[in-house]
Amino acid sequence: EAGVVQSPRYKIIEKKQPVAFWCNPISGHNTLYWYLQNLGQGPELLIRYENEEAVDDSQLPKDRFSAERLKGVDSTLKIQPAELGDSAVYLCASSLGPGETQYFGPGTRLLVL
Amino acid sequence: SQQGEEDPQALSIQEGENATMNCSYKTSINNLQWYRQNSGRGLVHLILIRSNEREKHSGRLRVTLDTSKKSSSLLITASRAADTASYFCATSPSTGTASKLTFGTGTRLQVTL
Repeated sequence: EAGVVQSPRYKIIEKKQPVAFWCNPISGHNTLYWYLQNLGQGPELLIRYENEEAVDDSQLPKDRFSAERLKGVDSTLKIQPAELGDSAVYLCASSLGPGETQYFGPGTRLLVL
Repeated sequence: SQQGEEDPQALSIQEGENATMNCSYKTSINNLQWYRQNSGRGLVHLILIRSNEREKHSGRLRVTLDTSKKSSSLLITASRAADTASYFCATSPSTGTASKLTFGTGTRLQVTL
């Protein structure tokens, strides 16, 4: 069984440019999460989806970050415009449902110059 | 924000020795989970212990939980070079949504031959 797939694995952009990350969760997993992980820190939740509904986006900086999960499967996370401080690893995870074990993708490492 | 803190921040041991890492957290929990993260990879779920449990085993892993002290420990016995990774504890709150995991800052474990 395939795990959580994320692309790209690495992205280098200049500040003020837009960037998008893509996530394909494990088949059948209704809950999808986006996390931000800064260097030397643990992941921090940005947004959680139950099917196509964003049920917890309280930590998502909505002035520049947006996310969508239109058909309740794949999801994209976008930053526009990117700032230097956005350099981090963006992790996607999925679970069968709320409260179930979360399975993480390999992450997208973003560097903003 | 990070819920917990792991101690020590870094640990270096020789293969065959035991490794113990500790996690302290701040608020009441439903469960506590431990994850492993290899360099440049996503997180892998290791073990979950519920708030009404005191000890749990899985292979070479032993987890304890002391809710009165708001702390947990992860013991890896007979360590191997492949155990080299960062280890994170993550708590699920007793109120609100059980899906909202809050991660600690992690312990970097180095196992040398």
